[in-house]
Amino acid sequence: GQNIDQPTEMTATEGAIVQINCTYQTSGFNGLFWYQQHAGEAPTFLSYNVLDGLEEKGSFSSFISRSKGYSYLLLKELQMKDSASYLCAVRLYNNNDMRFGAGTRLTVKP
Amino acid sequence: DAGVIQSPRHEVTEMGQEVTLRCKPISGHDYLFWYRQTMMRGLELLIYFNNNVPIDDSGMPEDRFSAKMPNASFSTLKIQPSEPRDSAVYFCASSTLAGGRDTQYFGPGTRLTVL
Repeated sequence: GQNIDQPTEMTATEGAIVQINCTYQTSGFNGLFWYQQHAGEAPTFLSYNVLDGLEEKGSFSSFISRSKGYSYLLLKELQMKDSASYLCAVRLYNNNDMRFGAGTRLTVKP
Repeated sequence: DAGVIQSPRHEVTEMGQEVTLRCKPISGHDYLFWYRQTMMRGLELLIYFNNNVPIDDSGMPEDRFSAKMPNASFSTLKIQPSEPRDSAVYFCASSTLAGGRDTQYFGPGTRLTVL
């Protein structure tokens, strides 16, 4: 089977930085995606990594180490609107088959 | 672009009834995915199509579930007969490999409640 693990819940303070980790053991790897999902809404794309290293995108960054099967999403200068679930997803092969982790529910407090 | 369109947005039905969920992907996208999301199991891939052809339906839970894509702009997911454990939010997503990143774009989902 495919294993994609994330912490279930995290809490952080407005203005702070939070790191959401994801580890994976999958039968194939052709890219790792992070999605944000607000309660009652659809997931929306945040970032994509296929090569090792850090990708910076303004208020957030995403990192991956393929040899370790590990990724993180770093959210900076948290705002209340960042309270949401963050889903880690691995594309298995070259055919767009993607598997999702259970998601990390982030609560940002004032 | 209108994005991925799903209908209905909410469906309440009784056990044993047939349920049909509908999806219109983003124009030009050649991949279409059906997912189911519950609190217990998270987001699960049910089936996906490439160029209207089903590629992998290993996530379809039982023979009660079936999906079709008669053309590039329309897909259905049918449950017959429905059971209370089918209650979930069903998402349709579409993507294309053109352009490299092939991000999946999700529709708003259909919240299904089976009584």
